[in-house]
Order: sequence, then C-alpha cells, then structure tokens
Amino acid sequence: AQSVSQHNHHVILSEAASLELGCNYSYGGTVNLFWYVQYPGQHLQLLLKYFSGDPLVKGIKGFEAEFIKSKFSFNLRKPSVQWSDTAEYFCALGPGGYQKVTFGIGTKLQVIP
Amino acid sequence: DAGVIQSPRHEVTEMGQEVTLRCKPISGHDYLFWYRQTMMRGLELLIYFNNNVPIDDSGMPEDRFSAKMPNASFSTLKIQPSEPRDSAVYFCASRSSTGGPSGGYTFGSGTRLTVV
Repeated sequence: AQSVSQHNHHVILSEAASLELGCNYSYGGTVNLFWYVQYPGQHLQLLLKYFSGDPLVKGIKGFEAEFIKSKFSFNLRKPSVQWSDTAEYFCALGPGGYQKVTFGIGTKLQVIP
Repeated sequence: DAGVIQSPRHEVTEMGQEVTLRCKPISGHDYLFWYRQTMMRGLELLIYFNNNVPIDDSGMPEDRFSAKMPNASFSTLKIQPSEPRDSAVYFCASRSSTGGPSGGYTFGSGTRLTVV
C-alpha cells in the first residue's frame, strides 16, 4: 500500500523566512510525486511535480522540491516566503503507471507580515 | 476552458435527506476523480472513472454513497440518506491520460456539504 506523511501540520513563519515542508512516502516501486497548494477558500492547484530525471524540481511562485530516493522524501522549499504564501500544502504520491494518487494530510502555512 | 465545474458550491441539508453533488470535467479529460476533504482525514479518494467507467470505488465509505458518470461531461456523487458525519468538502478533479501516467489533476472549487 502507498502512503504519504507530512510531519508538520501547522507552520508559522515571518515574511522573508525560509521554508521547508517535509514529505515522506511509502511505496516500493516507481513513483510520481506532487505538491499542491490550497489557498483559503479555494481548490487545490498544482505547484510542481516530479516524474523522473533531475531530482531538484522547480515549480511556480519560487517553490522547489527535492526528491531523495534513499530517504523516500520529497521536501518542499522556498528561500523567502511572502504573506501571500499563506495556504495549505499537500504532498501527493502517484505510483508510476497507475492512477490512484494519494495525498498527505496537508500542512497549513501561516506567514506573518 | 472554464476548468472543472462543481455544483452546488454550498449545500446544507437535514440528516436523512438525499444529496446530489455534480461535476463537469474539463473537455477532453478522460479521468474523473471524487475526493472528500475533512480536517481529521485530509483528502480521501472516493472513486475514479476512466472513459466514464468506474475503475476503483474502494474509497467509497459505505452503501449510502454512489457515483455515476453517464457521459464524458458529467458526473454525480449521491449520498442517500445523508448523515452529519458526511459533512465535508467534496472535490471533483479531472485529468487527461495524454499527460502521462500520473499527470497533475485539475481540481474543481469543491462543494461544502453540511448535514445538520
């Protein structure tokens, strides 16, 4: 069975602070990994995705994530957060060649001006 | 394209009533997914369709839940009878298989269901 763990459920940062949100997954085969963002009252939007190749993936709005296969991790990073980054962030796992994407429980990020 | 369209945006109903949630996927997308989002359990996949055919409904919580996709442009999720514990935000998402085996989904705005 596949699973996704997000360890930080609620993160509070000041503007300009650096961000790293942890994501670990459990699955024995080829994986596709995603980060989604959900702004207050809105639907989920794709931030970035990893299928293969360069393990450092760059997404929209200055976010990036690094796939470390040996650690089963796909952490999300941003060097300097803004108030507008306040949202909930979801890590997701989609096994290669299969449709069933599993989402983590989500991490609520609050950025204080 | 208008994106994935869900209706209604909000639904308040009394326990025991039938509730029908609706979804229009993006034209040309051949996969459609229904998710439920709660504070306690996060996002849970309920069921998904490929070319209008249900592929995996193992996430449907119980027989009170049913989903249909009569054509490529419309799907419904029905709860009958509804219970307070069904209160959640229900998201519909779609994707195209030409985007790769697990390409990113496009989500609808969700239906916030409250059962009192």
